[in-house]
Amino acid sequence: GQQLNQSPQSMFIQEGEDVSMNCTSSSIFNTWLWYKQDPGEGPVLLIALYKAGELTSNGRLTAQFGITRKDSFLNISASIPSDVGIYFCAGLGSGGSNYKLTFGKGTLLTVNP
Amino acid sequence: GAVVSQHPSRVICKSGTSVKIECRSLDFQATTMFWYRQFPKQSLMLMATSNEGSKATYEQGVEKDKFLINHASLTLSTLTVTSAHPEDSSFYICSARMTSGGLTQYFGPGTRLTVL
Repeated sequence: GQQLNQSPQSMFIQEGEDVSMNCTSSSIFNTWLWYKQDPGEGPVLLIALYKAGELTSNGRLTAQFGITRKDSFLNISASIPSDVGIYFCAGLGSGGSNYKLTFGKGTLLTVNP
Repeated sequence: GAVVSQHPSRVICKSGTSVKIECRSLDFQATTMFWYRQFPKQSLMLMATSNEGSKATYEQGVEKDKFLINHASLTLSTLTVTSAHPEDSSFYICSARMTSGGLTQYFGPGTRLTVL
């Protein structure tokens, strides 16, 4: 089946620093999504990318859909303590009527004030 | 908009009992809902896809007779864990996709199940 490799697995940064994380896949995805999950909560959608090469921003967050459609990155600028959480990439493939999401293993972000 | 709720948020039950978890789309209709399971420090694993008015599609390795799914309306899907055992303890999360279009999934807040 499809697999996503997400890195890094965890990051420890100082408040105000920029952060970058990425996902790669062995197969093509038609849509890339980035979610954030706080402890004990469900994932919250941060950014959705629908076209290869697309670069989209949401406040301090910027994400890009790779040209090959096999990768995506998420950048967070000027991190703040509330950015702490687990960030997941997810890909939506093609084929079949259900369009199931495939999740990366997550990046645990810790921000030291 | 696009709010999904789950009930209960936490449940503790005895081994051998059944537990029902509800997933509701509050401000949109959802023909398709998804059920995930997440173990500590792991990613979300899809268990099944629930389609309104038809049988759920289960992922490989997920027992359909143990995890009963009912999607009787466009705003409600239920997951029943039957004859629960301690190894079923996990965080169960549902998501919903809008009937009106789009492939984005909106997630519920999750249900923490603990089986004693």
